[in-house]
Amino acid sequence: QVTLKESGPVLVKPTETLTLTCTVSGFSLTSPRMGVSWVRQAPGKALEWLALLFSDDEKFYNTSLKSRLTLSKDPSRSQVVLTMTTMDPLDTGTYYCARILMGDNWFGPWGQGALVTVSS
Amino acid sequence: SYLLAQPPSVSVAPGETASFPCGGTNIGTKSVHWYQQKAGQAPVVVIYFDSARPSGIPERFSGSNSGNTATLTISRVEAGDEADYYCQVWAGPNDHWVFGGGTKLTVL
Repeated sequence: QVTLKESGPVLVKPTETLTLTCTVSGFSLTSPRMGVSWVRQAPGKALEWLALLFSDDEKFYNTSLKSRLTLSKDPSRSQVVLTMTTMDPLDTGTYYCARILMGDNWFGPWGQGALVTVSS
Repeated sequence: SYLLAQPPSVSVAPGETASFPCGGTNIGTKSVHWYQQKAGQAPVVVIYFDSARPSGIPERFSGSNSGNTATLTISRVEAGDEADYYCQVWAGPNDHWVFGGGTKLTVL
């Protein structure tokens, strides 16, 4: 069974850096075509794609947020890490990780999400 | 940037058919994927590649895509279908993966 789970701080202060971890099970981060993506959702708002990392280490970032985002992975721990710098209250929301297969371009399954609040 | 337009809300009575349009320039040339998000839960894909249904998704869910509009259709709507529905495409090397604004289904 494929599962993903997000973890990280619930509260961050403005200007701080957010670090979120996606721990996966049921598949390997090094398998061909395998990818993990991050998607966020501000309260009451739509889904917003953030970033994606494939097993061949190819990375993609939302153009408008690219300067603030960094992806990395630790296959031995089945983890993908997203860092977002210079957090702002507008970054408050639920952050999801989801699996994607290269070429398929749809996301599933998804983690349960991690709610992050940016406030001083 | 590539934009996907969805109406904010759709309301239908139980047993009726609900249609969810997703508008985008030449969207018919792209593969469209649809997600259902119930309150307080993570999204779940209900249609991928325009009209394919994952295992476990009822046959009542169907999709089509042509021209500038893709459509998700739910036949014989049930109370348990109440959720937000999002369309999504791969919009190319600049915009990457794009979601629509979502449509909230209310079952009357």
